[in-house]
Amino acid sequence: KAGVTQTPRYLIKTRGQQVTLSCSPISGHRSVSWYQQTPGQGLQFLFEYFSETQRNKGNFPGRFSGRQFSNSRSEMNVSTLELGDSALYLCASSSQGSSTEAFFGQGTRLTVV
Amino acid sequence: QKEVEQDPGPLSVPEGAIVSLNCTYSNSAFQYFMWYRQYSRKGPELLMYTYSSGNKEDGRFTAQVDKSSKYISLFIRDSQPSDSATYLCAMKIAGAQKLVFGQGTRLTINP
Repeated sequence: KAGVTQTPRYLIKTRGQQVTLSCSPISGHRSVSWYQQTPGQGLQFLFEYFSETQRNKGNFPGRFSGRQFSNSRSEMNVSTLELGDSALYLCASSSQGSSTEAFFGQGTRLTVV
Repeated sequence: QKEVEQDPGPLSVPEGAIVSLNCTYSNSAFQYFMWYRQYSRKGPELLMYTYSSGNKEDGRFTAQVDKSSKYISLFIRDSQPSDSATYLCAMKIAGAQKLVFGQGTRLTINP
C-alpha cells in the first residue's frame, strides 16, 4: 500500500512569490491535515480537510490556504511568500474523521530567498 | 507557555541502555497521546498511541500516560543505533484531527 506522497520534495522561491504544494493521501483515506515544521516552533497545525471541506484551521495568516479534491488529494497554497515561511511542510492522512492514526508524508522543504 | 512541553535534548546514551523520553501538557482535554519518530529529512513515523491513562507496550517500546500529572513517557529498552532520531510526542482531544506536538527530543544511541 503506497504511503502519503508529497510533491515536490524541495522548492526554492523568491520573497513575494506564491507556491502550491501537493499531497496524495493513502488510498481510502479521506482526511488530510497540513503542518508546518520549523526549528524554532516545531510542528504546527495549519488546517485539515475531510471530504473536500475544511473542518479545522490553525493560527496562520490568510496567506496560507488549501483545498481538497474529490479524490482526496489536497493542495496548499502560500501567497506573498515571506522569508519566515521557509520550513518543512508536512501532510498527514487518516482513514476516518477522528482517527488517531495519522500517517505523514516526507514533506516539502520550502526555502524562501 | 506551550500546551505541550518536551525537552529538546540532545540526549546521548550508549547502545543497550534504557531510554526515557517525556512530555508534560497543560490541556486536560487531551485524550489521545502519540509518539512519533522522525529521522533526518523524513516525515514523522507513528510509533505508538494510547487513549487516556495507562501503559501500552510494543516490542522494545513502552508508552505511559499519567493524566493526573499531565505527564507522558516513552521508554525504549535495549536501545539500538538505529533508534537514533528525533522523538516527538503529540496529543489531541477526542473527535478532533488537530495534533499538538512537543518540540521533539533528539536522541543519539552510541555503538
